[in-house]
Amino acid sequence: GAVVSQHPSRVICKSGTSVKIECRSLDFQATTMFWYRQFPKQSLMLMATSNEGSKATYEQGVEKDKFLINHASLTLSTLTVTSAHPEDSSFYICSAQETYGYTFGSGTRLTVV
Amino acid sequence: QQQVKQSPQSLIVQKGGISIINCAYENTAFDYFPWYQQFPGKGPALLIAIRPDVSEKKEGRFTISFNKSAKQFSLHIMDSQPGDSATYFCAASSENAGNMLTFGGGTRLMVKP
Repeated sequence: GAVVSQHPSRVICKSGTSVKIECRSLDFQATTMFWYRQFPKQSLMLMATSNEGSKATYEQGVEKDKFLINHASLTLSTLTVTSAHPEDSSFYICSAQETYGYTFGSGTRLTVV
Repeated sequence: QQQVKQSPQSLIVQKGGISIINCAYENTAFDYFPWYQQFPGKGPALLIAIRPDVSEKKEGRFTISFNKSAKQFSLHIMDSQPGDSATYFCAASSENAGNMLTFGGGTRLMVKP
């Protein structure tokens, strides 16, 4: 089946630094990718929708200058958390739509210290 | 506005029993209803999905029951096993709304040996 590869799986960074998370569709082309944030014991919260070659669409309340999304190709979308702070610590998950539905990446656990 | 309400929040079932998780939605434009299974530290994985033109879909031990008039759908896990212990999310999407998934709040299932 369709596979979405997400890296890194875990990252610890210092407050004030930036972190980039990559999401790749391995065996299909993903025109649209979605980025979610998940807090412990909570559901997935959609942050933004990225479309290849165009600007991402952010959900209400999500800071577009803090969470930079780039979807430069049909197989790669990146999320950069800029000037990270401890409150940005969370589980970030990407998803891509393919023929039979949505495939999710394995998630990235971000810890900002 | 929570468009997909999921219950219960947590569920404990004995091995071999039936696990039942329910979801209700409000948006009648939803036309795709998937269920996802998520293990700790991992991204969600598609279990089974249904479209509103059928009332039931079965795949192995997993069955979705769909009631369009009541705007409800449920997941039944037959012969529940300890390996089924995970968090389950229902979701819904509409082609007219860009196919973005709206998730339920999740159900933490524990299957006791």
